[in-house]
Parts: sequence; C-alpha cells; structure tokens
Amino acid sequence: DSGVTQTPKHLITATGQRVTLRCSPRSGDLSVYWYQQSLDQGLQFLIQYYNGEERAKGNILERFSAQQFPDLHSELNLSSLELGDSALYFCASSGGGWDRVSYGYTFGSGTRLTVV
Amino acid sequence: AQSVTQLDSHVSVSEGTPVLLRCNYSSSYSPSLFWYVQHPNKGLQLLLKYTSAATLVKGINGFEAEFKKSETSFHLTKPSAHMSDAAEYFCVVSDKGQGGKLIFGQGTELSVKP
Repeated sequence: DSGVTQTPKHLITATGQRVTLRCSPRSGDLSVYWYQQSLDQGLQFLIQYYNGEERAKGNILERFSAQQFPDLHSELNLSSLELGDSALYFCASSGGGWDRVSYGYTFGSGTRLTVV
Repeated sequence: AQSVTQLDSHVSVSEGTPVLLRCNYSSSYSPSLFWYVQHPNKGLQLLLKYTSAATLVKGINGFEAEFKKSETSFHLTKPSAHMSDAAEYFCVVSDKGQGGKLIFGQGTELSVKP
C-alpha cells in the first residue's frame, strides 16, 4: 500500500457519459497530480493541485476538470466521454513545496477506465 | 524544455545476467532524475532518484543508476536479473519550470528469461 488511494479501481461506461475519479493523497502531502496512461500516448501529465489550488496544467482536455478539496482529496471529472478516453488514470502525491519534486511522487494504483 | 529518451523500448535478458536500461535526458539546468517501475496491472513504484548529491545512486531491489552530466545520461543497471524484475521501467525528469510536473520517458519493457 503506497498510501495514495484511488477509487474506483475499474470503471466501464458508455460514450457521452460523465465519470468522477477520486484520489486521497498520502498523509501530509499537499500536492496531488493526475496522469493518464494510454498505449499510444504513454504517461501524460494532466494537472497538479497544491493545497487546494491549481498549480500546473498539462495535456488536459477541456472536457476534463479536477479539483482538490479542503481535506486534500482530489477528484478528476471526465465528461462527454469518447472511446479514446479509455486509459489508466493515475493519481500521485508529494510533500514539500508545490514546485519541489526532488524526492519524487508516490503513485496510487490507478483507475482503469473503459469507455464502450 | 526538459525531455527524456529511453533508448530501448524492449530489453530481454536471461536470469542471472546483468541488466542495462538506457536513458538520456535533456535539461537546461541541474535536473532531478528518477527511475520508476511498473509491474503488470500495478501502479508505479519509485526505484531510485538522483537529486544532485552522489552521482551513483542506489535504489531498491539491487538497482543502481549513474548520473553522467557530460553524457546527459542516467542509465539503470542491475548486476544480476531476477524473474521478478520483468516489468516496464520509466526514466523520469522533473520539470522545474512547471511546478511539480514529472516528464516520463516512453518506457522500456524488461523481459527476463529463465
């Protein structure tokens, strides 16, 4: 157990639908990151939150949004789903400042999203 | 901008033989570098990290990596492969310019033959 909890582990949904992925960071970590892993794109950074505020944005589609709540858990919302959104979505957390990753992240085990 | 190139998409070794997974990076300043491992249907686990201290970094499960600034390389090695080492390995560089973003290489799949 890495200390980063992601739910659900698996999700199957239809095109056009909306889903919410949830992440609880490791205790004490203020930064939460979301990554998408697909066969063709590899691991792509989506977005970073630090203590409730968005800090960095990557290749995140407009149909996707995220937020971090006062208790530091984060949710990634995916809407108007397309077949190409099928992927493994990872959440990771880190401690220290919002721009410090000299010690790396701790990753959750991921949510596998299948859009049919 | 930082980038990472893993020179081999797939490496196959026999159990008990050395492992070498190659990684080159591009960075405009002193980077932090990492190797992560992903076993099938599992999350990503940190193997080791370089953060401008010793250039030879020891990680978990007998893995090591050497930071060579002149060659912009951070190759991962292990003296003797074990069947349980079969996994996907990612070389990663931190992006100081954009918060805590990590930039991942495309991954190297390591196969270990009995």
